[in-house]
Amino acid sequence: NAGVTQTPKFQVLKTGQSMTLQCAQDMNHEYMSWYRQDPGMGLRLIHYSVGAGITDQGEVPNGYNVSRSTTEDFPLRLLSAAPSQTSVYFCASSYSNRRYTEAFFGQGTRLTVV
Amino acid sequence: DAKTTQPPSMDCAEGRAANLPCNHSTISGNEYVYWYRQIHSQGPQYIIHGLKNNETNEMASLIITEDRKSSTLILPHATLRDTAVYYCIVSLNNNAGNMLTFGGGTRLMVKP
Repeated sequence: NAGVTQTPKFQVLKTGQSMTLQCAQDMNHEYMSWYRQDPGMGLRLIHYSVGAGITDQGEVPNGYNVSRSTTEDFPLRLLSAAPSQTSVYFCASSYSNRRYTEAFFGQGTRLTVV
Repeated sequence: DAKTTQPPSMDCAEGRAANLPCNHSTISGNEYVYWYRQIHSQGPQYIIHGLKNNETNEMASLIITEDRKSSTLILPHATLRDTAVYYCIVSLNNNAGNMLTFGGGTRLMVKP
């Protein structure tokens, strides 16, 4: 049982480049989400999904796109990378059939935009 | 979601109990109190949650005041591996539209 797997672990991009951060979970969770964490700060929600085919924006969605074609995968796309997107990105998943939110997080992708 | 206030840092001696406070004076009646921790920039890890009653699991205990305006996370016998940033979060019932809002947390340093 791998839990939540994020790839890559590290990435350096040039300004203007695009890329996709991958997230996969093997727990059959309906809910998935992406957060970013800037140095010394808490996590901020970028986008989330309540199930395959359904996505919505979080607190800081600008510059990012998501899609959810399967229950397992929730990729995050950076359309045109900017230095302000230098951050650590965490993917999380959780059950939909519980009244409380026990979120399982991946190990993060450390992105640097130069 | 209600806001939380936590001390930015705390120290604890190894083997002693670590008591981490959290104020959430604007919490509403259907909001849960959650605790997560983040060890050395890894992904956050769920610890415990509660609504009204005190809770205990294999990791920690959660004490919620009767008026629900504050809570305390207790690590009964802290070890060096408990050194982490601890986040107190209040949030409505499990609704992906109300995903977790992380504040600054408390950086707990467990010392030998």
